[in-house]
Amino acid sequence: ETGVTQSPTHLIKTRGQQVTLRCSSQSGHNTVSWYQQALGQGPQFIFQYYREEENGRGNFPPRFSGLQFPNYSSELNVNALELDDSALYLCASSLATNQETQYFGPGTRLLVL
Amino acid sequence: DQQVKQNSPSLSVQEGRISILNCDYTNSMFDYFLWYKKYPAEGPTFLISISSIKDKNEDGRFTVFLNKSAKHLSLHIVPSQPGDSAVYFCAALSSGSARQLTFGSGTQLTVLP
Repeated sequence: ETGVTQSPTHLIKTRGQQVTLRCSSQSGHNTVSWYQQALGQGPQFIFQYYREEENGRGNFPPRFSGLQFPNYSSELNVNALELDDSALYLCASSLATNQETQYFGPGTRLLVL
Repeated sequence: DQQVKQNSPSLSVQEGRISILNCDYTNSMFDYFLWYKKYPAEGPTFLISISSIKDKNEDGRFTVFLNKSAKHLSLHIVPSQPGDSAVYFCAALSSGSARQLTFGSGTQLTVLP
């Protein structure tokens, strides 16, 4: 059974650019949630995907978007990057019927210059 | 508006003694509470959870207590070990189809040998 994996591990972008982060969910998990963790803070919910559709969204602007694929893997896309987007981006997978247990990947560290 | 608060950014405890980490919440709609442990360069690792209908859950050295009237929960680690040194996040799970986690800001626990 493989755990949650994310790629890339680190990324440096400049303001205004676009970025795509990837997440492979734990085997058998059909729900993926994305979180942003700024330095010194707890993770903040961005959105969740289930059955290839967005299933809930936190307080993030539309330039944060996502996709889920038939194999349950997921992408997070951020357009028009801003300096404040610099953070650790975490994805978590779970079963839709058991979201009390969400397993996190190691995260992607994004730096926007 | 922080719905989940961890008011102690850090805690130091002697090895073998009890560690008590505290968490307060404001939203009565949360129906599950979880504790995660995070090492640097890793994603959060699930530790223990408690349903809002219970007041205590125990798993080995870890016990979580929930006081619904005070909207307060705590994590007890007995006995504390140096390997427990990490950032501990309290998280609350919202009810509904998209069960997002709302995290506190974390408490850095240091267990001194």
